[in-house]
Amino acid sequence: GNSVTQMEGPVTLSEEAFLTINCTYTATGYPSLFWYVQYPGEGLQLLLKATKADDKGSNKGFEATYRKETTSFHLEKGSVQVSDSAVYFCALSSNYGGATNKLIFGTGTLLAVQP
Amino acid sequence: GAGVSQSPSNKVTEKGKDVELRCDPISGHTALYWYRQSLGQGLEFLIYFQGNSAPDKSGLPSDRFSAERTGGSVSTLTIQRTQQEDSAVYLCASSLVTDNQPQHFGDGTRLSIL
Repeated sequence: GNSVTQMEGPVTLSEEAFLTINCTYTATGYPSLFWYVQYPGEGLQLLLKATKADDKGSNKGFEATYRKETTSFHLEKGSVQVSDSAVYFCALSSNYGGATNKLIFGTGTLLAVQP
Repeated sequence: GAGVSQSPSNKVTEKGKDVELRCDPISGHTALYWYRQSLGQGLEFLIYFQGNSAPDKSGLPSDRFSAERTGGSVSTLTIQRTQQEDSAVYLCASSLVTDNQPQHFGDGTRLSIL
């Protein structure tokens, strides 16, 4: 079945450091890939998405590229801020074979950015 | 515009009681999803509604769980005879017609079973 694997946290960085959170997936067909973010005390928010191979999703300085050859969708940001501290979830959805586009999530990665 | 609204935001109940959780999706969103977020299991899909089609119930963990969606809008998730392992945050999401449109989440209902 479809699945998502993302690096375990917590990830602790100093402000302005470079961020990478690894995400790989297993899926039949051609899934769409997403990063969701959950700030402390808040609900899940869509951060970015990519719907086909080689697409790059970007938002708020974050980027991720859909790599079909490596089945990866790693999240990157060049210079993190304290306000980026949150839990980040990688997810996929697929309507292959009549599937219902339900989201399959990774376990989440806690990012803590220190001033 | 208004986002996905869930109520109550918190619910504490005794083991064995029934609970009902409500979700009001974004207007015009025909697809509605329920997920559960718990410490041991992460984020899990529960059930999906799309228009008048039969719901996808494949994620419901037991027959104590059921959900309905009236008039293609508001949805209620019912848990009967609650158990302590049902303690979790229950999230509702909605989206435009499928084809990989992003899902928009409510703030969730935090359910605690004593």
